[in-house]
Amino acid sequence: GENVEQHPSTLSVQEGDSAVIKCTYSDSASNYFPWYKQELGKRPQLIIDIRSNVGEKKDQRIAVTLNKTAKHFSLHITETQPEDSAVYFCAASRLSNFGNEKLTFGTGTRLTIIP
Amino acid sequence: EAQVTQNPRYLITVTGKKLTVTCSQNMNHEYMSWYRQDPGLGLRQIYYSMNVEVTDKGDVPEGYKVSRKEKRNFPLILESPSPNQTSLYFCASSFSVDYNEQFFGPGTRLTVL
Repeated sequence: GENVEQHPSTLSVQEGDSAVIKCTYSDSASNYFPWYKQELGKRPQLIIDIRSNVGEKKDQRIAVTLNKTAKHFSLHITETQPEDSAVYFCAASRLSNFGNEKLTFGTGTRLTIIP
Repeated sequence: EAQVTQNPRYLITVTGKKLTVTCSQNMNHEYMSWYRQDPGLGLRQIYYSMNVEVTDKGDVPEGYKVSRKEKRNFPLILESPSPNQTSLYFCASSFSVDYNEQFFGPGTRLTVL
């Protein structure tokens, strides 16, 4: 089955600096890679996702890059703000004609933005 | 309001006492899933369902059962709970095919004594 490794487990950055979280996956058939943000005591929420036919995707201060050959993908947050403090999870899945198959999450990165 | 609901939100029980955690979504989603969240282990998928009467095991299905008799409901059943099932449980749902964002419920914190 799929195995997703996520690093680092904790990350502290100064407000305004950039943060990068990296994930690797094992199943070359995986073709969908979402990132979820979980604020303290809240439910996870999707912040960005990428499919295997795309190498990079941006949404304002957030970007995700995918290297299919190396089987790794990364989340980049620029100009970090205090509200970016949260736990971030990467995930990998195979999409079939029926939608998501089994979704495997990484173990999470606790990001702390230092004012 | 489009949402995923779970009940109960908090539950303390004893070993061996059967329990059911309900999950319901009002978005006509085909795909539903259960996860457990444990410190240092992230979110691990227990079971998922691609449609009514179609369910499959996730990564940690042992000790759990599910059913999908109606599109909106996907209950999680613990026939004989054990302390190692103490965890935070999330139900999630999504459309299939082209729109795959998973919408999570508020979570159920289960303690098995």
